[in-house]
Amino acid sequence: DAKTTQPPSMDCAEGRAANLPCNHSTISGNEYVYWYRQIHSQGPQYIIHGLKNNETNEMASLIITEDRKSSTLILPHATLRDTAVYYCIVTSNNAGNMLTFGGGTRLMVKP
Amino acid sequence: DTAVSQTPKYLVTQMGNDKSIKCEQNLGHDTMYWYKQDSKKFLKIMFSYNNKELIINETVPNRFSPKSPDKAHLNLHINSLELGDSAVYFCASSPYTRSSGNTIYFGEGSWLTVV
Repeated sequence: DAKTTQPPSMDCAEGRAANLPCNHSTISGNEYVYWYRQIHSQGPQYIIHGLKNNETNEMASLIITEDRKSSTLILPHATLRDTAVYYCIVTSNNAGNMLTFGGGTRLMVKP
Repeated sequence: DTAVSQTPKYLVTQMGNDKSIKCEQNLGHDTMYWYKQDSKKFLKIMFSYNNKELIINETVPNRFSPKSPDKAHLNLHINSLELGDSAVYFCASSPYTRSSGNTIYFGEGSWLTVV
């Protein structure tokens, strides 16, 4: 799996958009970008994933650059409950593939 | 209607003991996993079990053995517990479809403390 680089921490004001960047310059053609988050003392939670097109669901939007070397997770209206560690993971979509989690970005949403 | 459930949630035990953590998923998924999160909060894959095929992370000591009696269960047995085994252990499962890919659903974790 390709390696990802994320800032260790970020702050965001409540109600504003949180934009979390991720670099994955060594991503290969069959690898997807996945985002998970882990709220304190809970299990990781799936957020969104994509291959090359931008994706949106009820939780977030995923913007992938045209060259696929970086992506941004957008939480459009951050709330205090969005405070968590956010993990960007790049992996192929093979069955049983084991996701490798890096250090992630600790997002602190402040009132 | 918990999707991925683990028991026990908290476990304190002495060095040298043997313990098991049970995991059950009611999502009908074919693939299950065990992850370990240490005190530095790094989340590391230990095992993946897909259609009776066990994929082992080679860095995991052989004191750790996963056991899957059926597709809905993947239990983790640990022999001769050591202080360094203290961590949070997460069970997870995934459906693997072409659209969902490797979307993984995690349990709430089992906090293991070895004293």
